[in-house]
Amino acid sequence: DAGVIQSPRHEVTEMGQEVTLRCKPISGHDYLFWYRQTMMRGLELLIYFNNNVPIDDSGMPEDRFSAKMPNASFSTLKIQPSEPRDSAVYFCASSFTDRGTYEQYFGPGTRLTVT
Amino acid sequence: AQSVSQHNHHVILSEAASLELGCNYSYGGTVNLFWYVQYPGQHLQLLLKYFSGDPLVKGIKGFEAEFIKSKFSFNLRKPSVQWSDTAEYFCAVGSSNTGKLIFGQGTTLQVKP
Repeated sequence: DAGVIQSPRHEVTEMGQEVTLRCKPISGHDYLFWYRQTMMRGLELLIYFNNNVPIDDSGMPEDRFSAKMPNASFSTLKIQPSEPRDSAVYFCASSFTDRGTYEQYFGPGTRLTVT
Repeated sequence: AQSVSQHNHHVILSEAASLELGCNYSYGGTVNLFWYVQYPGQHLQLLLKYFSGDPLVKGIKGFEAEFIKSKFSFNLRKPSVQWSDTAEYFCAVGSSNTGKLIFGQGTTLQVKP
């Protein structure tokens, strides 16, 4: 398997622009997670889905952030409008609830820079 | 509420020194425990995991961890570190109730050659 795929790997944009990050989970996995990592805040869980349904979005910082999972093989995280403080590495991860274990597989991340 | 606490934020060791990184969790139910490693500029990768059986778990690259239920701990160990072990290490606990992992704040390990 190719693992979790994220695109783009790097994104540089200007403040106020819309940013869309994409994730393709591992085939057959039923959970998908979006994380944000910064030096100041560490690793933060933003939102996660189970069988394409959002379960917990309490980590989404504000209404400028939205996430969708239209099908089992694709998810997006959108920031509109973007701000410099959104600069971070955004990771997508997926897992499969086999026998009650929840090992997550992480994608390579998208490094977002908002100027 | 579930939580994970990693005792050390930044550890500096010389090559060949022994390593032990502390991890304590609070969760009342059955847990799955994980250590992830993040090398500089890379994503998180699984180092080892525990969900049942022998409480001493062996992972990749010579790492091991011991689950001590009475202490709610899952400490990571390596007898002799290498410069290539320089990375950030995250302890995590998974709960059967939510399907998600709760991560600790991470420990940065710097190994001096």
